[in-house]
Amino acid sequence: GAVVSQHPSWVICKSGTSVKIECRSLDFQATTMFWYRQFPKQSLMLMATSNEGSKATYEQGVEKDKFLINHASLTLSTLTVTSAHPEDSSFYICSARWRVEETQYFGPGTRLLVL
Amino acid sequence: KQEVTQIPAALSVPEGENLVLNCSFTDSAIYNLQWFRQDPGKGLTSLLLIQSSQREQTSGRLNASLDKSSGRSTLYIAASQPGDSATYLCAVKTNSGNTPLVFGKGTRLSVIA
Repeated sequence: GAVVSQHPSWVICKSGTSVKIECRSLDFQATTMFWYRQFPKQSLMLMATSNEGSKATYEQGVEKDKFLINHASLTLSTLTVTSAHPEDSSFYICSARWRVEETQYFGPGTRLLVL
Repeated sequence: KQEVTQIPAALSVPEGENLVLNCSFTDSAIYNLQWFRQDPGKGLTSLLLIQSSQREQTSGRLNASLDKSSGRSTLYIAASQPGDSATYLCAVKTNSGNTPLVFGKGTRLSVIA
């Protein structure tokens, strides 16, 4: 199956700093990438949908100026958590899809801890 | 808006027991439904994908059924093992264009040796 990687796998940062998470599709071109967030013992909640070359579409309640998403190429999307706060601590999972009819492939996730 | 519900939220069974996990969704106009497994602190492992035209899919000891008209899917695990302990997530993709998978809250399964 298709492979999606995320980097870093975990990160600890101080409150107020910015953190960038990379999501790469390794063996296919991802026209659409999705970013999910998962709090402990909760399900995956969609944050935003990004199509290559266009602006991301954010879900209600997700601040676009705080969670910056860039999908500049067909194999790379980045999520930047700006001015991170402890409440942003969570497990962030990206997902990529080639076509609408295809299944979504998920990355291994990035655990963020903001102190 | 599509909503996915999973029952039970948690389940503890002795090793060897057959079990059923339930998933329901509010919008029956789905494109496909997928079952995932998630181990603590880890990412998702896809178990079974059922297209809207299919009634069931099988992989080893796992069998997933889909009743689109009633908005339900079940994941059947035969002869459960301690290694099956994990959270099982159900997710659906609706028909409306470039939509993402919508997830249920999952069922946390513990299989006791």
